[in-house]
Amino acid sequence: QKEVEQDPGPLSVPEGAIVSLNCTYSNSAFQYFMWYRQYSRKGPELLMYTYSSGNKEDGRFTAQVDKSSKYISLFIRDSQPSDSATYLCAMSAAGGSYIPTFGRGTSLIVHP
Amino acid sequence: ETGVTQSPTHLIKTRGQQVTLRCSSQSGHNTVSWYQQALGQGPQFIFQYYREEENGRGNFPPRFSGLQFPNYSSELNVNALELDDSALYLCASSSRSASHEQYFGPGTRLTVT
Repeated sequence: QKEVEQDPGPLSVPEGAIVSLNCTYSNSAFQYFMWYRQYSRKGPELLMYTYSSGNKEDGRFTAQVDKSSKYISLFIRDSQPSDSATYLCAMSAAGGSYIPTFGRGTSLIVHP
Repeated sequence: ETGVTQSPTHLIKTRGQQVTLRCSSQSGHNTVSWYQQALGQGPQFIFQYYREEENGRGNFPPRFSGLQFPNYSSELNVNALELDDSALYLCASSSRSASHEQYFGPGTRLTVT
């Protein structure tokens, strides 16, 4: 079992839909939870991060962490074609060098 | 604020050759991490440098080595290239106090034939 599991998709939704992207993990030491967006043939771009449990909102994006279930989510409201990309979750333990472990990414396609 | 830059953009090498990839970190960042991303996979951690010293290493063989310079730029060297080394190589910079916030460069796409 991998430390971080993420469904590769693709997930295809119509423009304007609410998108839910999820990851599960097995390492209870993870404290930082990050979401990255990666366009084709580009480097990942940090969207947002959450420390420990709870929700965090940034514009159309909401990150949610449930440490009891070892489950994290990213919600995208009013999805746009420009949101079409691969979304990577990443997690790291506190202390030390905070080296993140990445999921394999979910490919999202938002069609007009 | 200058972002993370990497060179070259693309590279084609032959099995057994050696390659050097370069990275300039974002201004204000003193930590550099290197990742290998195979097609359809998430980035895999290779190693991290802080103050010119290796500060953590993933599950990669010794033929993957690196350097960090006083200006925090970095190099990744790979010797005795194998076909499976074909991937996107990503450099990410961060500050020591917030290493969980990593900012990635555009990557170098390496093809080994």
